[in-house]
Amino acid sequence: EAGVVQSPRYKIIEKKQPVAFWCNPISGHNTLYWYLQNLGQGPELLIRYENEEAVDDSQLPKDRFSAERLKGVDSTLKIQPAELGDSAVYLCASSLRVNTEAFFGQGTRLTVV
Amino acid sequence: DAKTTQPPSMDCAEGRAANLPCNHSTISGNEYVYWYRQIHSQGPQYIIHGLKNNETNEMASLIITEDRKSSTLILPHATLRDTAVYYCIVVSQAGTALIFGKGTTLSVSS
Repeated sequence: EAGVVQSPRYKIIEKKQPVAFWCNPISGHNTLYWYLQNLGQGPELLIRYENEEAVDDSQLPKDRFSAERLKGVDSTLKIQPAELGDSAVYLCASSLRVNTEAFFGQGTRLTVV
Repeated sequence: DAKTTQPPSMDCAEGRAANLPCNHSTISGNEYVYWYRQIHSQGPQYIIHGLKNNETNEMASLIITEDRKSSTLILPHATLRDTAVYYCIVVSQAGTALIFGKGTTLSVSS
């Protein structure tokens, strides 16, 4: 069975440009997470979905970040406009339910220049 | 959720057991202890979790003290591929997202 699939794997953009990341979770997983990971740090939660509902987005910088999970399956995370400080790895994860083990994708490494 | 404390780094010789400690002195009765690891340039990988009893799977063993204030992850025969950052996370049974700390960087050498 395929794991969590993220694309692209790497992205380089100029500051002030928009960027989008895509995540396909494991089939049947109701819970989907987006995390941000800076170099040398542990992942930080941006948003958690239960099916198509965003139930925890308190850490999402809503002035420039947005996310959606249409039909409770795939999800997209967008940044507009990107800033230099947004350079990081963006990780997507999914789980059957919120208190079961989560499976992570390989992440998208974003570089803003 | 309860916070956890882990040593920033540990070394282990290949073939020996790696014992990674975690302190979670403020854990409450309905919170699980989860362990994940992250190999360089990959996403975190689930290892094991437990509530009260010791647990073992094909990857590792988890020993939780009787008062549940600390735990130890044991990799019985560490290999070079076990070199990674190991995260100990306390998760509410009611359900919240994983909150990662800085973890322990385990270096396995030959």
